[in-house]
Amino acid sequence: GAVVSQHPSRVICKSGTSVKIECRSLDFQATTMFWYRQFPKKSLMLMATSNEGSKATYEQGVEKDKFLINHASLTLSTLTVTSAHPEDSSFYICSARPRGFSYNEQFFGPGTRLTVL
Amino acid sequence: GIQVEQSPPDLILQEGANSTLRCNFSDSVNNLQWFHQNPWGQLINLFYIPSGTKQNGRLSATTVATERYSLLYISSSQTTDSGVYFCAATSGGSNYKLTFGKGTLLTVNP
Repeated sequence: GAVVSQHPSRVICKSGTSVKIECRSLDFQATTMFWYRQFPKKSLMLMATSNEGSKATYEQGVEKDKFLINHASLTLSTLTVTSAHPEDSSFYICSARPRGFSYNEQFFGPGTRLTVL
Repeated sequence: GIQVEQSPPDLILQEGANSTLRCNFSDSVNNLQWFHQNPWGQLINLFYIPSGTKQNGRLSATTVATERYSLLYISSSQTTDSGVYFCAATSGGSNYKLTFGKGTLLTVNP
């Protein structure tokens, strides 16, 4: 149980285009999902917290107009990288916190590797 | 916010050896998790352990919340244990946001 999927797993796009990444909780409902970014050989940095039915909360330094987050349902959150540039190339990982759990464990998706040419 | 520090940053072992990875955190926690990141980038949940001791096969973990540290033990290491091990924690007033340490890169040689 507690499986999180991401799609696509890998995407290559041209500079200036927008890319949408989906994060789904497959066997549980998630009131809260999180989006992280990871650079090579580095740790995970939280970008934003996504709550179902409300606006995402972005971490300091993360451009909300650049990284659009929509948490449309209890099982789906999307991250759209708008007008992507090469510096947006990175590994993006989502996580989900199950609804109704008595504890705070988070479960992670397999990640999406974005390359902007 | 909470600070999470892991040590050592790198660790090289021979197959069959035991190891201890450490995670120090700067504040009280209501979530502490250990992960193994595989070569494809997937974070695999090892332990949810804000306090106490847990064991799962060759792996075990102990968190001493009052002293603000957690330890991950790997016994009889195998080459498949290689990878990056992350500790991540959430402090009380953080809206469940996990803060990650920088990780320990474990290499197990045959």
